[in-house]
Amino acid sequence: GAVVSQHPSWVICKSGTSVKIECRSLDFQATTMFWYRQFPKQSLMLMATSNEGSKATYEQGVEKDKFLINHASLTLSTLTVTSAHPEDSSFYICSASAGVNPQVYNEQFFGPGTRLTVL
Amino acid sequence: GESVGLHLPTLSVQEGDNSIINCAYSNSASDYFIWYKQESGKGPQFIIDIRSNMDKRQGQRVTVLLNKTVKHLSLQIAATQPGDSAVYFCAENNAGNMLTFGGGTRLMVKP
Repeated sequence: GAVVSQHPSWVICKSGTSVKIECRSLDFQATTMFWYRQFPKQSLMLMATSNEGSKATYEQGVEKDKFLINHASLTLSTLTVTSAHPEDSSFYICSASAGVNPQVYNEQFFGPGTRLTVL
Repeated sequence: GESVGLHLPTLSVQEGDNSIINCAYSNSASDYFIWYKQESGKGPQFIIDIRSNMDKRQGQRVTVLLNKTVKHLSLQIAATQPGDSAVYFCAENNAGNMLTFGGGTRLMVKP
């Protein structure tokens, strides 16, 4: 159980276009979803936290108008990279948690990641 | 700021030997730690976790040691196999429900 999927697994786009990445919890309801970005040979950096039905909370330095996050249902969150540029090329990973209390840690289940390449 | 970091970026071991991957953390208030394995092009895979009220926890072929005095965490892999080759991250639960990841160590297993 506790499977998280991402779609697409990889995408190549032209500079200036927008790209949407989906994160789905397949067998549980994810009250919270997290979006991470990972550059080559680097660690995962949290971009934002989203709770179903409310606005996402972005980490410092992450542009909310560039990285649009929608968590419209308990099984789906989307990350849209708007006006993508080559420096946005990265591995984007989501995780999902079924916990209801944001004050304590609830196990995060990670998706397989999406490789974005912006030409 | 608070951070979780690793001492060695790359560790090369012979198949069958034991591996030890280290991690230093700076947030003394952290009370929960996780080790993840990440293979190339994939998401992190949970290996083992430990709470701050413990100093050792064992799983199948893996052991995590926590030294709160020096804020150090280690992952020991017994009888390392080629399939263990990956990047290993420690992660720390500090604020609420969030995780902070360390820099990662690449484990290379030589046949």
